[in-house]
Amino acid sequence: QKEVEQNSGPLSVPEGAIASLNCTYSDRGSQSFFWYRQYSGKSPELIMSIYSNGDKEDGRFTAQLNKASQYVSLLIRDSQPSDSATYLCAVNRASKIIFGSGTRLSIRP
Amino acid sequence: EADIYQTPRYLVIGTGKKITLECSQTMGHDKMYWYQQDPGMELHLIHYSYGVNSTEKGDLSSESTVSRIRTEHFPLTLESARPSHTSQYLCASSGLGETQYFGPGTRLLVL
Repeated sequence: QKEVEQNSGPLSVPEGAIASLNCTYSDRGSQSFFWYRQYSGKSPELIMSIYSNGDKEDGRFTAQLNKASQYVSLLIRDSQPSDSATYLCAVNRASKIIFGSGTRLSIRP
Repeated sequence: EADIYQTPRYLVIGTGKKITLECSQTMGHDKMYWYQQDPGMELHLIHYSYGVNSTEKGDLSSESTVSRIRTEHFPLTLESARPSHTSQYLCASSGLGETQYFGPGTRLLVL
């Protein structure tokens, strides 16, 4: 079992809809959780970080954390073609950050 | 806004050559990282450093070496490049928090 699991996709979502990206992690001691976006051929860029159970909203993005279920998700409202990218979930383990393999998101017009 | 730089951005080189990929950050971050990523594939941590004179190997075995003589500088060296080293190399840094900020990457092609 991988330490950070993501569905590789591709996840296809119509423009204007909500895209829901999911991530599970294995280390119950993890305290820090991150979502990165990576466009093809580019480097990852941070979208959001979340540390407490519940929801955290930033513009069209909402991160949701459930430590009991070891589950973190990212919702993208009003999806735009520019949201088409690979989304990486990252979780801390001890003093390291472990990245998932990413979910490819495609927003169709 | 993260200030982390990598040079060169693109490098095409012949087999057997020695190469050094440069990474610098101006944020005073103690922690720095090197990742290797093939197109469409996941990130693999190959080296990291938690401060000056501290370097560790990552989860993916790599024939490269690194050094950390100055806080802001974390170069990666391949003594003898091979076609199997063809990949994208990403440098990142983090400060007191754990958020990693990535440089633009170096695309390496070994012929």
